[in-house]
Amino acid sequence: QSALTQPASVSGSPGQSITISCTGTSSDIGRYTYVSWYQQHPGKAPKLMISDVSNRPSGVSNRFSGSKSDNTASLTISGLQAEDEGDYYCSSYTTNSTLLFGGGTKLTVL
Amino acid sequence: EVQLWESGGGLVQPGDSLRLSCSVSGFTFSNYGISWVRQAPGKGLEWVAAMSGSGGFTFYADSVKGRFTISRDKSKNMVYLQMNSLRAEDTAVYYCAKDIRTLSCLDMWGQGTVVTVSS
Repeated sequence: QSALTQPASVSGSPGQSITISCTGTSSDIGRYTYVSWYQQHPGKAPKLMISDVSNRPSGVSNRFSGSKSDNTASLTISGLQAEDEGDYYCSSYTTNSTLLFGGGTKLTVL
Repeated sequence: EVQLWESGGGLVQPGDSLRLSCSVSGFTFSNYGISWVRQAPGKGLEWVAAMSGSGGFTFYADSVKGRFTISRDKSKNMVYLQMNSLRAEDTAVYYCAKDIRTLSCLDMWGQGTVVTVSS
């Protein structure tokens, strides 16, 4: 099963908003609300940022928000800060009873 | 405090076996699933295997099915990943992670253990 499709890179200036897309199929994102987003800094373990499409775990800034439409999920970061720079991954449950990750998006804060 | 700690990584030759361990604490083992996720050097995250909170169900990625086995010892709060017939493409950092259910959302991760398969 191929990875969910994410843009390889996105960038934005401090204070701006950016959106990262994550495109799947009717067998994963399109069928389930088990879509998550993770942030990873170099050499570190991933950190959960969004669960179940749009839920923000305790301790995650409200500048992070998630949504889903049809087969595409999105992560929006508003008020970009330097500390937001890193890699972002989406994931989804699939009809094959597996967990599928996106290929990852490198966020650069200019 | 929820904590997960992987161990057991190392350098092995193609065809060898290796068992990774994940020590967990701070949560009720039987209420949450556990997944293993790996990351090859310079690459993205790849889900490898999962076990349900009940321990009655296991799930595997096609790339490791038949070669890897996930198991646990509730008495020791340990989860294991037995890896057989290792290949060069299995080289990666291996993370264990706690799921809020099973195969849904990984809310806590260990720091990872490095597996290198090379002759």
